[in-house]
Amino acid sequence: EAGVVQSPRYKIIEKKQPVAFWCNPISGHNTLYWYLQNLGQGPELLIRYENEEAVDDSQLPKDRFSAERLKGVDSTLKIQPAELGDSAVYLCASSPNGGLQETQYFGPGTRLLVL
Amino acid sequence: DQQVKQNSPSLSVQEGRISILNCDYTNSMFDYFLWYKKYPAEGPTFLISISSIKDKNEDGRFTVFLNKSAKHLSLHIVPSQPGDSAVYFCAASSNNNDMRFGAGTRLTVKP
Repeated sequence: EAGVVQSPRYKIIEKKQPVAFWCNPISGHNTLYWYLQNLGQGPELLIRYENEEAVDDSQLPKDRFSAERLKGVDSTLKIQPAELGDSAVYLCASSPNGGLQETQYFGPGTRLLVL
Repeated sequence: DQQVKQNSPSLSVQEGRISILNCDYTNSMFDYFLWYKKYPAEGPTFLISISSIKDKNEDGRFTVFLNKSAKHLSLHIVPSQPGDSAVYFCAASSNNNDMRFGAGTRLTVKP
């Protein structure tokens, strides 16, 4: 069974440029998560989708970050414009139904460097 | 606010010995706890979990202990192997499915 797929794996951009990350969850998983992981810290939730609906986006900086999961399968996270402080690893995870006590499965992440 | 804390950024043990990784939490609403393992350039991989109705869960060389009164959990690895060298994240979730992670502990198992 294929795991969570993310692309690109690495991205280097200049500040004020836009950037987008793509995630394809495990087949059949209805719940998709985007996390931000800064160096030396644990993952922090940005947004959670149940199918195509964003059910928790309280931690998403909406002035520059946006996300979509139009068909309830793969998802895109966008930053526009990027700032130096956005340099981090962006992790995507999925789980079957987003139910209580359900394990989340992570992709390899996209490492972003903003210069 | 850091609701899940891993106060030891690193731990080094000898191969064959026991590794004990600790985690503390502050939110009494957390009822499900997980440990993830992360190798460089990879995403976190689920290792073991425990529900708040239990105080111990064992899976092969890995055992997680939960002390709810102390809001403390620990991961025991015995015997430790060089392949266990990785960063270990403690995570906790509550009934709103909001999962919080600790900052991680880097375990090094020396041959």
